[in-house]
Amino acid sequence: GQNIDQPTEMTATEGAIVQINCTYQTSGFNGLFWYQQHAGEAPTFLSYNVLDGLEEKGRFSSFLSRSKGYSYLLLKELQMKDSASYLCAVMDSNYQLIWGAGTKLIIKP
Amino acid sequence: DTGVSQDPRHKITKRGQNVTFRCDPISEHNRLYWYRQTLGQGPEFLTYFQNEAQLEKSRLLSDRFSAERPKGSFSTLEIQRTEQGDSAMYLCASSLGQGEAETQYFGPGTRLLVL
Repeated sequence: GQNIDQPTEMTATEGAIVQINCTYQTSGFNGLFWYQQHAGEAPTFLSYNVLDGLEEKGRFSSFLSRSKGYSYLLLKELQMKDSASYLCAVMDSNYQLIWGAGTKLIIKP
Repeated sequence: DTGVSQDPRHKITKRGQNVTFRCDPISEHNRLYWYRQTLGQGPEFLTYFQNEAQLEKSRLLSDRFSAERPKGSFSTLEIQRTEQGDSAMYLCASSLGQGEAETQYFGPGTRLLVL
């Protein structure tokens, strides 16, 4: 079967750095997406990785290792507005997105 | 660019009633997706369209669910004879539809509560 694993919840301090991990087992791989979702709102696109390595976009970076079936999202200089759920999704061989359950990130002052 | 829009944003209905939701994708996007999301879970794929053609429908989707995209622009999702288990956030997303591994952009969702 297809499976995406990410921690249920994480807590971090304002101004700090946090890394949210995602491991996956899917039938085929056509890229990995990270989305941010604030409570009661729709997911918003953060990043896309299809090749191994690190993609940096401002305070957010995303890393992929296809051989390990592993990705992480790195958030730097955390702000209170970063409190949200972070969803990892893999595009499988049929170009369908397989979603993790999301990691709820709590930022404390 | 106004993004993906959905209507209504909230719907409360009684068990057994039919409901219909509408999604307007980003104007130049050819692909349109419907998902369902419950609390603490990621979105669950329901169906998707390439222009007006419905190309895939989840096997988890019962016959009470139907979706249309008659002119390849907006789409509707209808749930007949609603059940309490249908209570969820219904999300619509769209993508360009010119490639294969494309980013999907989501609308604000319709939150359904079945009493």
